[in-house]
Amino acid sequence: DAGVTQSPTHLIKTRGQHVTLRCSPISGHKSVSWYQQVLGQGPQFIFQYYEKEERGRGNFPDRFSARQFPNYSSELNVNALLLGDSALYLCASSLVGPTNEKLFFGSGTQLSVL
Amino acid sequence: RKEVEQDPGPFNVPEGATVAFNCTYSNSASQSFFWYRQDCRKEPKLLMSVYSSGNEDGRFTAQLNRASQYISLLIRDSKLSDSATYLCVVIGSGTYKYIFGTGTRLKVLA
Repeated sequence: DAGVTQSPTHLIKTRGQHVTLRCSPISGHKSVSWYQQVLGQGPQFIFQYYEKEERGRGNFPDRFSARQFPNYSSELNVNALLLGDSALYLCASSLVGPTNEKLFFGSGTQLSVL
Repeated sequence: RKEVEQDPGPFNVPEGATVAFNCTYSNSASQSFFWYRQDCRKEPKLLMSVYSSGNEDGRFTAQLNRASQYISLLIRDSKLSDSATYLCVVIGSGTYKYIFGTGTRLKVLA
């Protein structure tokens, strides 16, 4: 079975542009969450979706938005990119909702903002 | 104060050594705890869950101390392949937010 898949793997953008990152969870997993990982830091929680509803949001500006589709795949959108948005963006899926559910991560999208 | 704190290391240890990492958390209502392993430029992968009674998986032992609000990971008989960053994860009660520590870097030397 395929694991969590993310696309694209790498992306280069310039300040002010918009970006869309995509994630397909493990088959049967209904929950998807997004994390931002800056070099040298642990992943920071951005969003969690379960059954197409937002269940949690981290401390990120409104430039960050996400959605989950009926097939449980998800998109993360970031508007008006800043240099500080350069990071590895990780998507994770889990079987049901949160709370002591194990997360399975995709290999991430490396975003560079110039 | 950070919600989850780890010593970033690096911990440089010889093969065969025993090494232990601690991770402290600030929210006493936290309910679930995990250790993840992350290799350089790769995604985090679940190493083990941490249970109140403590748990062991081969050379790895995880402990939870609720009174002092920390979790620990002990690695016995270190292998070169154990070299990685170890991330602790805490989930608060009734939240959907997985909080990661900054990670502790381990390098096992031949």
